[in-house]
Amino acid sequence: QQKVQQSPESLTVSEGAMASLNCTFSDGTSNNFRWYRQHSAKGLEVLVSIFSDGEKEEGRFTAHLNRANLHVSLHIREPQPSDSAVYLCAVNSNNRIFFGDGTQLVVKP
Amino acid sequence: AQTIHQWPVAEIKAVGSPLSLGCTIKGKSSPNLYWYWQATGGTLQQLFYSITVGQVESVVQLNLSASRPKDDQFILSTEKLLLSHSGFYLCAWSLRVGPGNTLYFGEGSRLIVV
Repeated sequence: QQKVQQSPESLTVSEGAMASLNCTFSDGTSNNFRWYRQHSAKGLEVLVSIFSDGEKEEGRFTAHLNRANLHVSLHIREPQPSDSAVYLCAVNSNNRIFFGDGTQLVVKP
Repeated sequence: AQTIHQWPVAEIKAVGSPLSLGCTIKGKSSPNLYWYWQATGGTLQQLFYSITVGQVESVVQLNLSASRPKDDQFILSTEKLLLSHSGFYLCAWSLRVGPGNTLYFGEGSRLIVV
């Protein structure tokens, strides 16, 4: 079964500094990946979807996928305090979506 | 525009009591529907999914059941709550066909079982 692990568990950055989050997965046949954000135990919002190796940018959010290394990352450019939330990596494997445990991001003014 | 509405927003229930959580999707015909559960501090887990009215598939057994009585409605229920049912329940929808399965989530229902 797919295992999705995220690191770091928590991250604090200053407003305007780049934030980088990591996600590793175990099933190399997975073919689509998403990053979601969850504010204070509310519903999730999708940030960026990526389906092939390389980079995908959606506004200030950029995902990098390297399937050979079983790794997908999220980079947040110029983070703001309103970006403070839990960020979840989601990996689609055999038509099921597996989530990581999340990274708690705090952006300090 | 599509909207997804969950109810109730929060509930405190006694062990052994029944539960019903609801989810309605407007603005999208025949969506795939999902129930997810998140224990406090835990990983989001898929519980059920449904691709059409009357059809529900169970993914994880938690002594819960789900039903899809209408195209736009998904219900999660149990006749007897356990303490372990406490957590945050999220309903989501995705397109029936299309590039992958982006999930669009509702605001969630928080359940505390005492």
